[in-house]
Amino acid sequence: EAQVTQNPRYLITVTGKKLTVTCSQNMNHEYMSWYRQDPGLGLRQIYYSMNVEVTDKGDVPEGYKVSRKEKRNFPLILESPSPNQTSLYFCASSPTPYSEQFFGPGTRLTVL
Amino acid sequence: EDQVTQSPEALRLQEGESSSLNCSYTVSGLRGLFWYRQDPGKGPEFLFTLYSAGEEKEKERLKATLTKKESFLHITAPKPEDSATYLCAVQALGSGGSNYKLTFGKGTLLTVNP
Repeated sequence: EAQVTQNPRYLITVTGKKLTVTCSQNMNHEYMSWYRQDPGLGLRQIYYSMNVEVTDKGDVPEGYKVSRKEKRNFPLILESPSPNQTSLYFCASSPTPYSEQFFGPGTRLTVL
Repeated sequence: EDQVTQSPEALRLQEGESSSLNCSYTVSGLRGLFWYRQDPGKGPEFLFTLYSAGEEKEKERLKATLTKKESFLHITAPKPEDSATYLCAVQALGSGGSNYKLTFGKGTLLTVNP
């Protein structure tokens, strides 16, 4: 089944404790992206990647890092999480940067 | 800066009562406008892509249209299963890496009562 998977689905952590949210797609898509979704603010793009080793900032990249060492994986790294990073995070992929995106199921992160 | 505004924020309809959702956008040049549906607790699901003014696309009870300033999602004779948040997103023409960005509106929460 073609899909985007994210792990973990739920995470509660404390301020300053480094964490990684994994994202993997099995559709051989070139383009992958991370979003956060907050009430009243909608979906905002954090980072995106056009292909392996090619990444760029979205609208809200501060406090986040990404890497794209393999085509299928696009992990989101929070080096020192803070409470304002409490949010619902979505990973997405698409065949090209200009086509429809396939979203993962989401990761609900709480930073205490 | 690209901007996307969706209205209304919430819409409550009776089953069978047709209506439209609006997505107004401001971009330097439009590469594509996307409509997604999002159910509670799930990731957005793709509905349509529109590329140029005058373009229309249909899927079951949904029809999306595009002008130079806005897009409409028309819902004909909605059913309770059409209840969801509908998201609009734009991708702008641009130079370098900026032309890969996708800007979303805040969405319209549609509730269809039986």
